[in-house]
Amino acid sequence: DGGITQSPKYLFRKEGQNVTLSCEQNLNHDAMYWYRQDPGQGLRLIYYSQIVNDFQKGDIAEGYSVSREKKESFPLTVTSAQKNPTAFYLCASSTYPGVGGRENTEAFFGQGTRLTVV
Amino acid sequence: GQQLNQSPQSMFIQEGEDVSMNCTSSSIFNTWLWYKQDPGEGPVLLIALYKAGELTSNGRLTAQFGITRKDSFLNISASIPSDVGIYFCAGPTSGTSYGKLTFGQGTILTVHP
Repeated sequence: DGGITQSPKYLFRKEGQNVTLSCEQNLNHDAMYWYRQDPGQGLRLIYYSQIVNDFQKGDIAEGYSVSREKKESFPLTVTSAQKNPTAFYLCASSTYPGVGGRENTEAFFGQGTRLTVV
Repeated sequence: GQQLNQSPQSMFIQEGEDVSMNCTSSSIFNTWLWYKQDPGEGPVLLIALYKAGELTSNGRLTAQFGITRKDSFLNISASIPSDVGIYFCAGPTSGTSYGKLTFGQGTILTVHP
């Protein structure tokens, strides 16, 4: 079945360490996104990528980095520079603008990774 | 920047009751999306609205795209325990036409059996 897979489901990190969250999709979507979710808040955009080898900062990119070497994969690294990394991280994908008509506005999400700094 | 305001923030209802929630913005949106998030899971798209005044149903769920394009409503009829979760409205961030979305803060729904 087509979908978005995030791994791991739960992740624990010591302060001062970098950690990488995985996101893979087999929907043949061009665009991919990383959102952060904190309790009682909506989703906030960290980074997004419209196409392979290109990505843009979202609203809260500080302390994070990404790469987009393959269409299917968009890993997120939470660096030691991120002051408050404990959160629920969600990866999403959508078709590229101009493809699929209206449906390119719909983003589909993975199951999330809960990161806890210990 | 764009903001989406959802109300109510939370709801506690009895099984079988109908539910209504809404989402408003100071900016015009050309698309409104409604997602549901179960605890510990990613959001799942429930309904997508593309035209002002559009009324769309998905089972017991009905959503409407406001005429002013600055609001949207989601109704759930005859609620059941599995309706529990967080409901988010979302729309394409200003200047984009694809999945880069602005989200409301969510409405937390609790259904008592």
